[in-house]
Amino acid sequence: GEDVEQSLFLSVREGDSSVINCTYTDSSSTYLYWYKQEPGAGLQLLTYIFSNMDMKQDQRLTVLLNKKDKHLSLRIADTQTGDSAIYFCADPLGKLIFGQGTTLQVKP
Amino acid sequence: NAGVTQTPKFRVLKTGQSMTLLCAQDMNHEYMYWYRQDPGMGLRLIHYSVGEGTTAKGEVPDGYNVSRLKKQNFLLGLESAAPSQTSVYFCASSRSGEIHEQYFGPGTRLTVT
Repeated sequence: GEDVEQSLFLSVREGDSSVINCTYTDSSSTYLYWYKQEPGAGLQLLTYIFSNMDMKQDQRLTVLLNKKDKHLSLRIADTQTGDSAIYFCADPLGKLIFGQGTTLQVKP
Repeated sequence: NAGVTQTPKFRVLKTGQSMTLLCAQDMNHEYMYWYRQDPGMGLRLIHYSVGEGTTAKGEVPDGYNVSRLKKQNFLLGLESAAPSQTSVYFCASSRSGEIHEQYFGPGTRLTVT
């Protein structure tokens, strides 16, 4: 079946860029998603990218999609302590299939 | 709008006890979902519903039952709780349609001893 994989942990210093990576096994989805989960809360949709796009930029967020390699990444520029959270990529193949989540730790 | 609410927020059960988790949404969404979240495993779909009166199995349905008698409510039942069901449970809802933006509840932390 479909599989979505992420690394589990990333630590950066405040002001640096963060890059969170995700690989997926199916390439038929129209969209791919990034969700953010803040401590003690549910998930919120952060951004999404159409499968026919290579890049989407939204303020400090840049999503890159490499369909050939089935690789999705989320870059956060000028990372702030408020960006500390767990980030999930998700593939809406019928129902959402989530990666394991990457915990982003931002050190002051 | 309250969005998606879950009751209770915390619960401790003994093995073999039963309980029902309630999810309610006031956004008139067609789809509703129950997930469990365990460390290092992301979210796994337990059951979901595509409309009032419908339910379907997700990735990890064993040991759980669900009902969607009203559009705004989705109930998750544990008939005989096991320690393996210790987890954080999230409910979500979404409109029908192509972009699956799911709105999540705050979660229920369940411990089975």
